[in-house]
Amino acid sequence: AQKITQTQPGMFVQEKEAVTLDCTYDTSDPSYGLFWYKQPSSGEMIFLIYQGSYDQQNATEGRYSLNFQKARKSANLVISASQLGDSAMYFCAMSPFYNQGGKLIFGQGTELSVKP
Amino acid sequence: DAGVTQSPTHLIKTRGQQVTLRCSPKSGHDTVSWYQQALGQGPQFIFQYYEEEERQRGNFPDRFSGHQFPNYSSELNVNALLLGDSALYLCASRRIPPSGITDTQYFGPGTRLTVL
Repeated sequence: AQKITQTQPGMFVQEKEAVTLDCTYDTSDPSYGLFWYKQPSSGEMIFLIYQGSYDQQNATEGRYSLNFQKARKSANLVISASQLGDSAMYFCAMSPFYNQGGKLIFGQGTELSVKP
Repeated sequence: DAGVTQSPTHLIKTRGQQVTLRCSPKSGHDTVSWYQQALGQGPQFIFQYYEEEERQRGNFPDRFSGHQFPNYSSELNVNALLLGDSALYLCASRRIPPSGITDTQYFGPGTRLTVL
């Protein structure tokens, strides 16, 4: 069965510094997708970044980058130049590559607090 | 371009009652998934609807049922409410790409259900 593990319940970072949020995953499928979502206190899940298991390059989206280490089954999110608005819950998720079923499996989340 | 919308925002029910939650997908999207997020947890997949049929279901009892309409909007129905059904219910939509490769899901703001 597929599983996502986020071992950091809470993280603090100083404004303008970089921070890494950890995510490890477990799957026996060779084809899968990995996602990071941000959930502010309002509740909406905001898509940040996606990495396919066959992608050779690490995904980047603005200040977000995904440090994908396939052999270690890790997909850490790196946020550069943290801003106060980055304070939120962050969830790592995975899905089968050919995901007709639409099921996303989420981790427990990491609460990030950005200090001024 | 309207994103995923959900109604109502908040709902309070008593044990044993029935509830209906509604979701309109993002423009151009034809599939809708529902997730339950208990306090302090990551979202759990309930089911997905595509072409007005339930395509995949998570580990939820038959008290949870759904429907998709020809305009792609969807309803989640929960019968015989239990205290443990109190949660944030999230709707996500996507467009299944012709290749079948997994595509990003976009989430709505959620409906917060409280069962007393």
